This record gives sequence, structure tokens and C-alpha cells, in this order.
Amino acid sequence: QVQLVESGGGVVQPGRALRLSCAASGFTFSRYPMFWARLAPGKGLEWVSVISYDGISKYYAESVEGRFTISRDNSKNTLFLQMNSLRAEDTAVYYCARNPIPTAYYYYLDVWGKGTTVTVSS
Amino acid sequence: EIVLTQSPGTLSLSPGERATLSCRASQSVSGNYLAWYQQKPGQPPRLLIYGASSRATGIPDRFSGSGSGTDFTLTISRLEPEDFAVYYCQQYARSPPHTFGPGSKVDLK
Repeated sequence: QVQLVESGGGVVQPGRALRLSCAASGFTFSRYPMFWARLAPGKGLEWVSVISYDGISKYYAESVEGRFTISRDNSKNTLFLQMNSLRAEDTAVYYCARNPIPTAYYYYLDVWGKGTTVTVSS
Repeated sequence: EIVLTQSPGTLSLSPGERATLSCRASQSVSGNYLAWYQQKPGQPPRLLIYGASSRATGIPDRFSGSGSGTDFTLTISRLEPEDFAVYYCQQYARSPPHTFGPGSKVDLK
């Protein structure tokens, strides 16, 4: 069955970096756009980033633009989120999610991982 | 960028009652490209509705979506105990970012 498993979360000091990974299985990963979203404590869901199926096109939320980089390794069925210059407000559970259709267009998020927790604190 | 607002912020109801949640967009959502998600504490979001009114796989028919343009509604016809959660709308029209609304919480009265 379709499965997404995030890893790489942890506690990190402000200003430092962290890289999240998302291992995909059960579908042809290389054909689907993939997303990152997050849920901060006491806040609502936030759309973070999306990457095209081939890794060429990338989009970011304004709150992370210039600090976060999304990438993928289609040979390893893995999605990444490189997070630099982390701030306290980046503290959240980070989810990876799949586009519903193997296409160039970005739709809703139909399959979600269980998330990995990132805490930014000194 | 399309901004979504949701109302009410919190809805207090009893099992068996009807829940009506609203999502309003700052601009028309072309193609009715609007989705609804349910999230419970400690769990990832679950897709309920896409295309404003199409139920996702496995979603009970007590959940229904309606609306077009800038005004959308999620209706839960008769609340089951497992339906008490936070509900988010999301637009996916135009180019990303595809923002979520702030959420509406349905809690037990």
C-alpha cells in the first residue's frame, strides 16, 4: 500500500540547520509531485513546499522562502527538506504528502505521512 | 495569493447533530479547486473532499461538500463520536503556494 515515512526531526538551536527525509513506497514515486506541510503547536496547518515529479519546479511558502530547500532522489524514492537558519517559529510537526495524480499540475494532498517533529530551541 | 477564512472557529455540538462549516476565499477559486481535511490530535490530516464536492476514497457519505466561487461549505449530516476534530479547507487553484484555511474545530457540547 502507499506509504510515506518521515525522519530527521529533532531538537536544534536557532540559526542551525536540519534535513528531513521522507521515504516513499507502494507507488511510482518518480511520477508524482510531492509536498511538505507543517503543524505548529497551537496553530493551524501550513503548506510549506512542493516539488515537481522531476525535481525541476519548486515552490515555497513565503515564511520559508530562501531558508528551506525541497529536493528529491527518484532513484531512492526519497523526498527531502533542507531547513537552514531555523527559527523558533519553525517548531512544528512536518508532514510529507503526495499529489493525487501523476501529473505536472499541483493538486491537493491525498496521502500523508505520520510526521516528524522539529523543535527549535536554545 | 488566495487567502481563506473559516467559520466558525469552534462549533460545539452533540453526536447526531448536523455540522455546517464555512470556508470563504479572498478571490474566486477557479475550477472549484478546493479540498477539505480532517485532523485529530496526534494524527496526520485526512483528505475528506476534493474539487469542492467529491468525497475521497473511504469517506462516509455523511460528509458532503458544496459551494463555488468564493464560498464553500462542509456539512456533516449526523455527527459520530469520531468526527470531533479540526477541519481545514485548502485551495489549489493557480500556481502554488496552495494555502490552508485557519481551521474550524468541532468539539463536544
